[in-house]
Amino acid sequence: GAGVSQSPSNKVTEKGKDVELRCDPISGHTALYWYRQRLGQGLEFLIYFQGNSAPDKSGLPSDRFSAERTGESVSTLTIQRTQQEDSAVYLCASSTMSVGPYEQYFGPGTRLTVT
Amino acid sequence: RKEVEQDPGPFNVPEGATVAFNCTYSNSASQSFFWYRQDCRKEPKLLMSVYSSGNEDGRFTAQLNRASQYISLLIRDSKLSDSATYLCAVPDSSASKIIFGSGTRLSIRP
Repeated sequence: GAGVSQSPSNKVTEKGKDVELRCDPISGHTALYWYRQRLGQGLEFLIYFQGNSAPDKSGLPSDRFSAERTGESVSTLTIQRTQQEDSAVYLCASSTMSVGPYEQYFGPGTRLTVT
Repeated sequence: RKEVEQDPGPFNVPEGATVAFNCTYSNSASQSFFWYRQDCRKEPKLLMSVYSSGNEDGRFTAQLNRASQYISLLIRDSKLSDSATYLCAVPDSSASKIIFGSGTRLSIRP
């Protein structure tokens, strides 16, 4: 079946502009995660959505970052007033509680470059 | 102590060798553990899940040492295609999400 999809695959933006990244999880997956991965680094947790519960935003690095999810479908991650240190790959993952929230399936990521 | 720690490597081993690397974790209450594989410029993919003392899948074996709070990944008869970064992941103290280690780079040479 279809996996997690993300768009755009690459995004180059000027410092100070806003960007919106999109994630389509696997159908039926109730949990959705956003991570940031800087070049040569590990995965940095950003935010977690589980069904209709309040999202866990504990990983968002600043108030320039926000994310929304409509029901159990698409999620968007918005970065306002982008800075050069925001350059990274932004990965989305989804999972199903019937297996456990930990067996996550990742999308291909959005590579963001802030110039 | 970091929640999840891994030796960054790189581990450089010849094809056919056996290689093992560890991942230490701080949350003693963790009941499940995960190894993901990440190829260069690709997304992580789930390799193995460990819900008890260990798991084996072909050439790959994951073992859990609860007393010392580490999990290991052993790869036997390594192939060139095993070259990748291996990430371990452990649920955090809230058990609502998993924390990833920074990964161990493995390079298999002919």
